[in-house]
Amino acid sequence: ETGVTQSPTHLIKTRGQQVTLRCSSQSGHNTVSWYQQALGQGPQFIFQYYREEENGRGNFPPRFSGLQFPNYSSELNVNALELDDSALYLCASSFVTGGSGYTFGSGTRLTVV
Amino acid sequence: SQQGEEDPQALSIQEGENATMNCSYKTSINNLQWYRQNSGRGLVHLILIRSNEREKHSGRLRVTLDTSKKSSSLLITASRAADTASYFCASSNAGKSTFGDGTTLTVKP
Repeated sequence: ETGVTQSPTHLIKTRGQQVTLRCSSQSGHNTVSWYQQALGQGPQFIFQYYREEENGRGNFPPRFSGLQFPNYSSELNVNALELDDSALYLCASSFVTGGSGYTFGSGTRLTVV
Repeated sequence: SQQGEEDPQALSIQEGENATMNCSYKTSINNLQWYRQNSGRGLVHLILIRSNEREKHSGRLRVTLDTSKKSSSLLITASRAADTASYFCASSNAGKSTFGDGTTLTVKP
């Protein structure tokens, strides 16, 4: 059984650019959630995907978008990057509604300069 | 704003002592989860307590839940230096989990 894998682990982008982060969910999990974690804070919910459809969204602007693929892997896309987008982006997978908790990846550290 | 809040923000104890962290949340929940995070890495799921449960144990961990007060506590007994980490509670409703800002625990050898 594999865990959640995120790529890349670190990334530096320039303000205004676009970025795509990737996540492979744990085997048997069909739900993927994305979180943004700023330094010294808790993870903030961005959105969740279930069966390739967005299944809830946090307080993030439309330039944050995502996809889930038939194999339940997922992408997070951020357009028009801003300096405040610098954070650790965490992907978490679960089965259906997360009734047994989430399995997190190690995250992607994004730095916007 | 965050759904949950942990208290205290930081806790420093000696190895062998017990550590207690508290969590409050704002709306009704299906379950509440506790996670651990080491140095900005991914979160590790520790324990989940459902809304109809009042107490749960797992090894050296004991979690309580008081839905009338919308609060939970995590007790780590006989702490070890390796328990040094940030601990987060996540309140879950309709499959979505909302995290607080965590308690940073330092266990001194």
